[in-house]
Amino acid sequence: DAKTTQPPSMDCAEGRAANLPCNHSTISGNEYVYWYRQIHSQGPQYIIHGLKNNETNEMASLIITEDRKSSTLILPHATLRDTAVYYCIVVPFTSGTYKYIFGTGTRLKVLA
Amino acid sequence: NAGVTQTPKFQVLKTGQSMTLQCAQDMNHEYMSWYRQDPGMGLRLIHYSVGAGITDQGEVPNGYNVSRSTTEDFPLRLLSAAPSQTSVYFCASRGFSGNTIYFGEGSWLTVV
Repeated sequence: DAKTTQPPSMDCAEGRAANLPCNHSTISGNEYVYWYRQIHSQGPQYIIHGLKNNETNEMASLIITEDRKSSTLILPHATLRDTAVYYCIVVPFTSGTYKYIFGTGTRLKVLA
Repeated sequence: NAGVTQTPKFQVLKTGQSMTLQCAQDMNHEYMSWYRQDPGMGLRLIHYSVGAGITDQGEVPNGYNVSRSTTEDFPLRLLSAAPSQTSVYFCASRGFSGNTIYFGEGSWLTVV
């Protein structure tokens, strides 16, 4: 079973910030939060990951709550090319299980 | 550096036929895995491997076989194809020193 819960779909106006939430209330202390996206039927693409601090890269920002039970992916200025399915997953950073369970993700539609 | 390469990209099978989907990576990654994605659905883990000679089942392993004789290759075998196996198949890999998963571009399989 997926260890994360995401809304099935969201809309965002072009040029505005897209805020995609993810619930991971059963996350363990040794698990990262990872975000991927899948455009059309291409292979999923890595966006960003974090453990407990907020992270930012050239693609997005990741905000993780203090209790680590939820997070938000922020695309600061969404473009039409950001229309995709976004997956939030939890990944252990020590050796052990490698069952990366993706779930169904959030389908983000950026509107012109 | 080609990353993760999947072949064939498209395949049509008749019910009962067998075939092998090939996956190769040139990043010396220990971990490799296979996912399937049905129309409008998320990714589901079929099998994974943490190194040559080591494989394990994912969420939906039935009807599929895998082996890992080399670090580079992780073929997925359909023993007796069924229409329910019509799907897009993605291969993925990662190294132990990092947590980012890299995906191939997918193999579209139709079983008639």
